Amino acid sequence: AQKVTQAQTEISVVEKEDVTLDCVYETRDTTYYLFWYKQPPSGELVFLIRRNSFDEQNEISGRYSWNFQKSTSSFNFTITASQVVDSAVYFCALSTNAGKSTFGDGTTLTVKP
Amino acid sequence: DAGVIQSPRHEVTEMGQEVTLRCKPISGHNSLFWYRQTMMRGLELLIYFNNNVPIDDSGMPEDRFSAKMPNASFSTLKIQPSEPRDSAVYFCASSRGTGGNEKLFFGSGTQLSVL
Repeated sequence: AQKVTQAQTEISVVEKEDVTLDCVYETRDTTYYLFWYKQPPSGELVFLIRRNSFDEQNEISGRYSWNFQKSTSSFNFTITASQVVDSAVYFCALSTNAGKSTFGDGTTLTVKP
Repeated sequence: DAGVIQSPRHEVTEMGQEVTLRCKPISGHNSLFWYRQTMMRGLELLIYFNNNVPIDDSGMPEDRFSAKMPNASFSTLKIQPSEPRDSAVYFCASSRGTGGNEKLFFGSGTQLSVL
């Protein structure tokens, strides 16, 4: 069985603050894939990043960075210098080679001006 | 390029009525997924297809729900009869391959309200 836990239900920050969204996962598979998706107020989920279980390299893309640690089964997402447009619900997801994705409950991020 | 297209965007119906949600995946994508999103249960996978074949429907809540994919460019999710607890946003998503490493492309969703 797979499980994804996003313990933070809601986070509120002021613009330009850094914020980290936590994601902890559980799986018995040795090969798996982790994702982050963003759901802005418009409603459509948008892909942000994918990591596979063999690649623990952290990744940075502009103001976004991701920290993957297999030792703690975590795949955390940090937004540096947050902006109002970052306000959204962020989902962490896990899938295996079988193709079935399991999503966390999401973290609602509000960035205030 | 067109993304995943869902229709209708909004559906309001009365309890007991049949509801059909439609989805057109991205051309060339081989996997299609139906998700339901509610405040209480979050994003739930209902069913997914690989190459038009249903692979896992264990998420379908009950026999009132059925899904079909008659060809690579069209899928339907039907609820008959509908109940108020079916009210939710239903998302369709597609991916290029059939493995779990593929990212999902989501449609805009169908907001279903069953009165």
